[in-house]
Amino acid sequence: EVQLVESGGGLVQPGGSLRLSCAASGFTFSSYEMNWVRQAPGKGLEWVSYIHNSGNNIHYANSVKGRFTISRDNAKNSLYLQMNSLRAEDTAVYYCARDGLRGFGFDYWGQGVLVTVSS
Amino acid sequence: QSVVTQSPSASGTPGQRVTISCSGSSSNIGSNFVSWYQKLPGTAPKLLIYTNNQRPSGVPDRFSGSKSGTSASLAISGLRSEDEADYYCAAWDDSLSALVFGGGTKLTVL
Repeated sequence: EVQLVESGGGLVQPGGSLRLSCAASGFTFSSYEMNWVRQAPGKGLEWVSYIHNSGNNIHYANSVKGRFTISRDNAKNSLYLQMNSLRAEDTAVYYCARDGLRGFGFDYWGQGVLVTVSS
Repeated sequence: QSVVTQSPSASGTPGQRVTISCSGSSSNIGSNFVSWYQKLPGTAPKLLIYTNNQRPSGVPDRFSGSKSGTSASLAISGLRSEDEADYYCAAWDDSLSALVFGGGTKLTVL
């Protein structure tokens, strides 16, 4: 059974940092591209970042570019999102998603982890 | 304001067919595949349609997708109360080098 489990969320002050993790199981993690997607309270879905299987191709949304870093450890079946210089507008539920079907078809998602940026 | 736009709301009665539209541009929908997601409160998004019109296994054939030019549509036939949810389209944008989601459409089953 495919499972994605996020962790690392919580309350952080503006300007602070947080590292999210996504533990994958039930599939060959190294064969799949992965993404982070977030949803702020009362708002729509927002794509955050993409990473290729090998980690060699990465993209970010303009809203997080220069502040967030996506990475993966295929040996540990894990995806990460390092979030620095956090702002109030980064408050959201963050999901990791497997890019399993052609054309950015995210076929499996984690349960989500809440990040709250507030003083 | 998203570069891909959706009507904020739609509604229908049980058994009816409803269509949710998604409008973009040549740099996103016009040149890339569209996917559709269903989002219920407190749960992770669920993939309904990928590559414009393909359903993942397990998604009922009541859900169908289409694309024409810079617009795409999600149709739900035989509407059920459990279809009440938010629906999002998504497409890669070549100009932004980013995946863009539509603003979402809240579907109400009357």
